Amino acid sequence: DAGVIQSPRHEVTEMGQEVTLRCKPISGHDYLFWYRQTMMRGLELLIYFNNNVPIDDSGMPEDRFSAKMPNASFSTLKIQPSEPRDSAVYFCASSSRDRMFFGPGTRLTVL
Amino acid sequence: DQQVKQNSPSLSVQEGRISILNCDYTNSMFDYFLWYKKYPAEGPTFLISISSIKDKNEDGRFTVFLNKSAKHLSLHIVPSQPGDSAVYFCAAKSNTGKLIFGQGTTLQVKP
Repeated sequence: DAGVIQSPRHEVTEMGQEVTLRCKPISGHDYLFWYRQTMMRGLELLIYFNNNVPIDDSGMPEDRFSAKMPNASFSTLKIQPSEPRDSAVYFCASSSRDRMFFGPGTRLTVL
Repeated sequence: DQQVKQNSPSLSVQEGRISILNCDYTNSMFDYFLWYKKYPAEGPTFLISISSIKDKNEDGRFTVFLNKSAKHLSLHIVPSQPGDSAVYFCAAKSNTGKLIFGQGTTLQVKP
């Protein structure tokens, strides 16, 4: 298994632009999570899905953030419009039972 | 509101000595705790876990201790090796299935 796949690995964009981060979870995992890593808050949970259904999006910082999971093998996290304070590393993770596996992350820089 | 806290942003130890990383939590409903290790430019990887019905779990050089009355857990690495240098995140699982992470502690093991 290739593990959790995220794309792109790096994204540099200008303030106001739309950014879309993509994730392919491990096959068979029924949970998918989006986290953001910052120095101050560590790994911050943004949203998670169970069987493609959003369960808890209370961590999504603003309406500028949205996430979808149209099927069991794909999820997106979209930021529109992006702002410099959104610059961070965004991780996607999937899990089955108690073990969570992370993707390599997308480093987002908003200028 | 940080439900899982790692109050030490960094720790430096000498090779061969013990590394002790600490974590505190506030929610008594957490029933499962995990430690993840993260190298630069990679996603976090699972290291060791403990159920709330136990107070100790050991895996090779790594031991996790749980003190439920104090809402405190710790990770002991003995003996520490330079390859252990990484960021360590503790996490707690709620009964809804989501993992809440702390801010992380950067461990440096000096040769």
